Amino acid sequence: DQQVKQNSPSLSVQEGRISILNCDYTNSMFDYFLWYKKYPAEGPTFLISISSIKDKNEDGRFTVFLNKSAKHLSLHIVPSQPGDSAVYFCAASEGSDDKIIFGKGTRLHILP
Amino acid sequence: DAGITQSPRHKVTETGTPVTLRCHQTENHRYMYWYRQDPGHGLRLIHYSYGVKDTDKGEVSDGYSVSRSKTEDFLLTLESATSSQTSVYFCAISEVRGAVGYTFGSGTRLTVV
Repeated sequence: DQQVKQNSPSLSVQEGRISILNCDYTNSMFDYFLWYKKYPAEGPTFLISISSIKDKNEDGRFTVFLNKSAKHLSLHIVPSQPGDSAVYFCAASEGSDDKIIFGKGTRLHILP
Repeated sequence: DAGITQSPRHKVTETGTPVTLRCHQTENHRYMYWYRQDPGHGLRLIHYSYGVKDTDKGEVSDGYSVSRSKTEDFLLTLESATSSQTSVYFCAISEVRGAVGYTFGSGTRLTVV
């Protein structure tokens, strides 16, 4: 059973608008959450993370929100740029176990 | 870019043959991981290593073995390749235990025919 779920396989957003990528998780023991970005023919690259003791973390155009009661997190990209077109993976881990569990990914298309 | 190299980048092999993929790092990181990426499945952990000769199984380890005789090298072996092992394989390294984020290699695209 999937512990990290990204229910939208793809998302299209107009350049300059806000992109919102969603992620749900089932394991209440997860205490660290990450987003990775992946371009074709490249490995995933770390984008932003959040600890379970926080509900928001911001880094430039990227903000991750965590709602622990709903077991839901989201990545906001504002404003969206053409270079943001990529696959985004939501990931999570449990403190006592450093292995990262990934979701299936969401392909983001930024439209001109 | 972190010093992590995967070889080969692409490989086509026949069903039933053994295949070894190599992950080489120059960062002296203790922790290394092998993932596979498949459409509809995202990234799934195959095997991981916490140091030389210290390896363990991930969630999709059947049909795979690993070895780590040196800090810098983590080898993934498909003992008898099957078509279901056609995938893109990624190696990742981490300096510390705990999910502070991995650094991934560029991947190996393996096709089993």
